[in-house]
Amino acid sequence: KAGVTQTPRYLIKTRGQQVTLSCSPISGHRSVSWYQQTPGQGLQFLFEYFSETQRNKGNFPGRFSGRQFSNSRSEMNVSTLELGDSALYLCASSRAQGTDTQYFGPGTRLTVL
Amino acid sequence: QKEVEQNSGPLSVPEGAIASLNCTYSDRGSQSFFWYRQYSGKSPELIMFIYSNGDKEDGRFTAQLNKASQYVSLLIRDSQPSDSATYLCAVTYGGSQGNLIFGKGTKLSVKP
Repeated sequence: KAGVTQTPRYLIKTRGQQVTLSCSPISGHRSVSWYQQTPGQGLQFLFEYFSETQRNKGNFPGRFSGRQFSNSRSEMNVSTLELGDSALYLCASSRAQGTDTQYFGPGTRLTVL
Repeated sequence: QKEVEQNSGPLSVPEGAIASLNCTYSDRGSQSFFWYRQYSGKSPELIMFIYSNGDKEDGRFTAQLNKASQYVSLLIRDSQPSDSATYLCAVTYGGSQGNLIFGKGTKLSVKP
């Protein structure tokens, strides 16, 4: 069974731009969670989508948003990029929402200049 | 404040020794506990999960959970240089409608 895929793997943007990241979950998984990982803060929860609905949201500003499609694929958008948004963005999929076992994709490395 | 605490390390052990990684959490209502391994430049990889008090063994790995003490640990027996990585503890908050909170990880180095 194929794992979680994320595109693109690497991205370089400048301050003020916006970016869209994509995640395809494991087949049969309906929940997608997004995380931001930085050396200082570690892995921080952004939000979770299940059945095309945002079920949970972490403590991030409104510039961070997401959505999920009927095929469970998810996108995450960051508007008005700031230097501090440079991070590894990870998506994880699970069969059920919330606290079911999560499997991570390879991540998207975002660099904001 | 939901917190998951881990010793950042680095924890250095000789090859063949037992590595012991520890994690404490703040919410007594947490139900599920996970250990992930993350190699440098890679994404986290699930090693084990544990739901009940006591020990759970899988190959060279043993997870231990003590809900009364709000403590979960991971033992790696016969440590190998390939076990050198950062180990992340994750704890669920908010019941079935909640989410995972991660510790910042413990860096393990296994010396040949």
